[in-house]
Amino acid sequence: QVQLQESGPGLVKPSETLSLTCTVSGGSIIGYYWSWFRQPPGKRLEWIGYIYSSGNTNYNPSLKSPVTMSVDTSADQVSLKVTSVTAADTAVYYCARATNNGWYLLWGQGTLVTVSS
Amino acid sequence: DIQMTQSPSSLSASVGDRVTITCRASQDISNYLAWFQQTPGKAPKALIYAASILQSGVPSRFSGSGSGTDFTLTIASLQPEDFATYYCQQFRRYPLTFGQGTRLDIK
Repeated sequence: QVQLQESGPGLVKPSETLSLTCTVSGGSIIGYYWSWFRQPPGKRLEWIGYIYSSGNTNYNPSLKSPVTMSVDTSADQVSLKVTSVTAADTAVYYCARATNNGWYLLWGQGTLVTVSS
Repeated sequence: DIQMTQSPSSLSASVGDRVTITCRASQDISNYLAWFQQTPGKAPKALIYAASILQSGVPSRFSGSGSGTDFTLTIASLQPEDFATYYCQQFRRYPLTFGQGTRLDIK
């Protein structure tokens, strides 16, 4: 059974870089699309972007803070970096895997990141 | 971006009730729509994709319909574990976008 687990610091200072890792267990990241989503407190879900296992990416142009995603196929991990964060980046961050048809049906449990000095 | 609007934003119902939630897209998305259920502190759980296909393991009391711009999620007979927030999500075009959510409370 494939499971996803997000990890990273729960507190980041404004203007610094938020770094999260999604570790995949019970399966490989190869051959799949992986997305990051986030949900600010009390707000709707927001798609951040996706990365394919080959490294191809597509990011949400509506995001105000620059985003970078990467993959480590040897460790079955997908990473997210958000630079120059502000309080608006405070959210629960989720990673998710797409089916072959692109539906995000498998999600991690999420991790809360608070941006505060 | 494609805007997704759900109605109602909140709803009170009783165990055993039949409930319908509506999702409207700002442009034609064909059947590229999914429904998720979220309880407090938990990750979204996929219920339905491609507008009407039930995700494996989801009870058959959940059903979805619609195409184009108008979609519905129906729960045939509410169970205690169904009280949650429900979101629709479109997959027709990037960026992927979600509705604002419908909070389903116990009456």
